[in-house]
Formats: sequence, C-alpha cells, structure tokens
Amino acid sequence: GENVEQHPSTLSVQEGDSAVIKCTYSDSASNYFPWYKQELGKGPQLIIDIRSNVGEKKDQRIAVTLNKTAKHFSLHITETQPEDSAVYFCAASYGNFNKFYFGSGTKLNVKP
Amino acid sequence: ETGVTQSPTHLIKTRGQQVTLRCSSQSGHNTVSWYQQALGQGPQFIFQYYREEENGRGNFPPRFSGLQFPNYSSELNVNALELDDSALYLCASSPTSGRPNEQYFGPGTRLTVT
Repeated sequence: GENVEQHPSTLSVQEGDSAVIKCTYSDSASNYFPWYKQELGKGPQLIIDIRSNVGEKKDQRIAVTLNKTAKHFSLHITETQPEDSAVYFCAASYGNFNKFYFGSGTKLNVKP
Repeated sequence: ETGVTQSPTHLIKTRGQQVTLRCSSQSGHNTVSWYQQALGQGPQFIFQYYREEENGRGNFPPRFSGLQFPNYSSELNVNALELDDSALYLCASSPTSGRPNEQYFGPGTRLTVT
C-alpha cells in the first residue's frame, strides 16, 4: 500500500512569515493529493487539493506544488496569521475509491 | 447545505463492550468513509460505503463493521472493544465513488475504552 511521510512534525513561525510543509509518497499510482487543517477538537477541514495532472495550485495565501518524478508535494502558506495555527495533514489517494493515506501531521504555531 | 454530522460527540465504554457510532452525510453525497485517528497521528482508513455496499476496507479486524442506509447516513459498529480502540472516529462523505476526490469530514466521535 501507499506510505506517506510528512515533515516537519512541528513548525513555529512568526506572524507574517511563510510556512512550508513537505510530504513524500511511495506509490507512483497516487493521483490525488489533498491537504487538511485540523483544529483542536474538530474534524479535518479540506483546505486545498491537487491532482497528478497539475504541478501547482494556488488559493489566496495557500499553494500546493507537486513533483511526480520525485514523488513529493508541499503546502505553502504565505503571510501567516495566528488563526493558521493548527495541525496540517497531507494525504494521497489512487484507484477506484476514496481511500486516503494520511501523513502523520505537522503542528503549525504562528506567533503573534 | 448541511455538513457532515456525527453522534455522539464523546463516548466512554468498557473493554469487551460493543459500540455504535453514527454519521449523516453532507447533502448530495452518496459515499461515506470511516477513519480512526489515534492521538497525535493521522487518520487511518477503516472502510468505505457506496450505495449501501462496502466499497473498500483498510487493515482493521472484522469486529469493525458498518452499514449505510438508503438516505446515505452510516453507522460504524465495533464489537469486543479493546483499550487500543480508544481514538477519534471520523466520518467523511464525498459526492461520488469511482475516483479519488474531495472528502468532507465530520467533527468526530471521541471513544474512550477503559
């Protein structure tokens, strides 16, 4: 099966700085890569996703890049704000149904 | 549009007991997946239901079972509870099956087994 590794496990940045979270996957058949934000006591919230036929996708302060050759994808958050503080998960999926393989999560702390 | 809802919010059970968790899909979504999230870890796929049929299963024993109803709501049943079953159980719905696509998660049910 697929194996997704995520780094770093914790990330602390100053408000206004950028944050980058990286994930690698093992199965070249994976073709869908979502990112989720999970706040304390809540379920994961989809923030952005990318498919394997696209190299980059941007939504306001958030962007995701995908390198299929190297089998890695990254989340970029610019102009971070305290409300960006949460745990972020990457995931990978392939095949005929929605089985997501999640990374182990990155706890992002944005200091005001 | 109503989001994914789950009940109950919290649950405490004793080892060996059985538990049923419930999930209502987001409006218009016919596919439901269940995940187990241990503390400090990413969610682990348990199984998925599409049009009332199990449509894929992760590495969980048969004592984890599920149902999906005609209105696309779903249940997760766990028999013979073990201490390691303590976790956040998440339900996620998506609009279609047949290819990976967006899943929307509910707030989860926190299960504690003592």
